[in-house]
Amino acid sequence: NAGVTQTPKFRVLKTGQSMTLLCAQDMNHEYMYWYRQDPGMGLRLIHYSVGEGTTAKGEVPDGYNVSRLKKQNFLLGLESAAPSQTSVYFCASSPNRGGGELFFGEGSRLTVL
Amino acid sequence: AQKITQTQPGMFVQEKEAVTLDCTYDTSDPSYGLFWYKQPSSGEMIFLIYQGSYDQQNATEGRYSLNFQKARKSANLVISASQLGDSAMYFCAMREGRTGGFKTIFGAGTRLFVKA
Repeated sequence: NAGVTQTPKFRVLKTGQSMTLLCAQDMNHEYMYWYRQDPGMGLRLIHYSVGEGTTAKGEVPDGYNVSRLKKQNFLLGLESAAPSQTSVYFCASSPNRGGGELFFGEGSRLTVL
Repeated sequence: AQKITQTQPGMFVQEKEAVTLDCTYDTSDPSYGLFWYKQPSSGEMIFLIYQGSYDQQNATEGRYSLNFQKARKSANLVISASQLGDSAMYFCAMREGRTGGFKTIFGAGTRLFVKA
């Protein structure tokens, strides 16, 4: 069972470079989320999607873009990486019902120098 | 604005004792769900328990129970008979309904230390 898969798991970028994080889920979930986790700040919602072709801003969307062209994939893009974007990024998905828990990927550790 | 507050950055509990981790939330959406997750040092997120805003009874899952006080907007996690393996970060989360766009946000977390 693959569940939620994030690629890459680790990445080092230089300031100004761009990159895309890919999240793939095989559970046919409607909802997908991108979070960043920083020490002492818990998980903060970057962007999320409630269905194929839809995206919405979360708590900390600046500097990130997302796309959900296929139901199973949710891409997170950094157009011009900054050191403040050094973090661990988690993708999650859930079914579209009230009690639908989030299923998380293993996380992607991004360092921006 | 949607908000989750966990006021205890760290907690200590003796093995086999019970412990309560606090969580308060703020929402104007009448329909919402509350979740607790555990994150051990290995980093994965583990779902523990769920409470719906319209549920009349407190949720329970094994040694975990959720003390839901709707009027006070609190959703505290109670862990009974603590075990050494319970040492981890614990996060409270809330998903609003249609009014809130179905987004799910998390609190800052509480680190639990279980002492032998």
